[in-house]
Amino acid sequence: KAGVTQTPRYLIKTRGQQVTLSCSPISGHRSVSWYQQTPGQGLQFLFEYFSETQRNKGNFPGRFSGRQFSNSRSEMNVSTLELGDSALYLCASSLEGSETQYFGPGTRLLVL
Amino acid sequence: KQEVTQIPAALSVPEGENLVLNCSFTDSAIYNLQWFRQDPGKGLTSLLLIQSSQREQTSGRLNASLDKSSGRSTLYIAASQPGDSATYLCAVPPGGYQKVTFGTGTKLQVIP
Repeated sequence: KAGVTQTPRYLIKTRGQQVTLSCSPISGHRSVSWYQQTPGQGLQFLFEYFSETQRNKGNFPGRFSGRQFSNSRSEMNVSTLELGDSALYLCASSLEGSETQYFGPGTRLLVL
Repeated sequence: KQEVTQIPAALSVPEGENLVLNCSFTDSAIYNLQWFRQDPGKGLTSLLLIQSSQREQTSGRLNASLDKSSGRSTLYIAASQPGDSATYLCAVPPGGYQKVTFGTGTKLQVIP
């Protein structure tokens, strides 16, 4: 089976712009979680989607949003980008009922 | 709020040594703990998942133990190799709304 894929792998944006990141889970996985990783804060949970519904949400401002499609692919959107949004954004998928998460390679976002 | 700490933050050892990485968590009401490795600029790779009912799990040269009562887990790496160089993260599902809380990570360098 193909692993979790994320696109794009690298992205450069300027402050105030918005960005959309995409994540395709492993086939058959219906749960997709998003994480932000920065040197200062480490790995932090953003949100989780299951069957097109947001099931859990981390402590991030409303500028961070996401959605999941019927094929389980998920997108994450960040509006009005700030310099502090520069990070590695990771998504992970898992099977229903399983705690094991499989991570994608991440999208590295740089906000200038 | 669950807090997860990993000690040491960085470790450098000569090839062939056995080593132990530590993970401490504040809320012992967990139902599993997972160890990951992350290579520079890459996503996370799941190494071992220990259910709360288990005391340890083994995979090849890796052995992870879990002591819920003391809030600790250890990852033992036998006969370390340069390919083991990476950052190792432990993760626990906390209470509340978040999916997973990650530790601060231990950056391991195995010197040939």
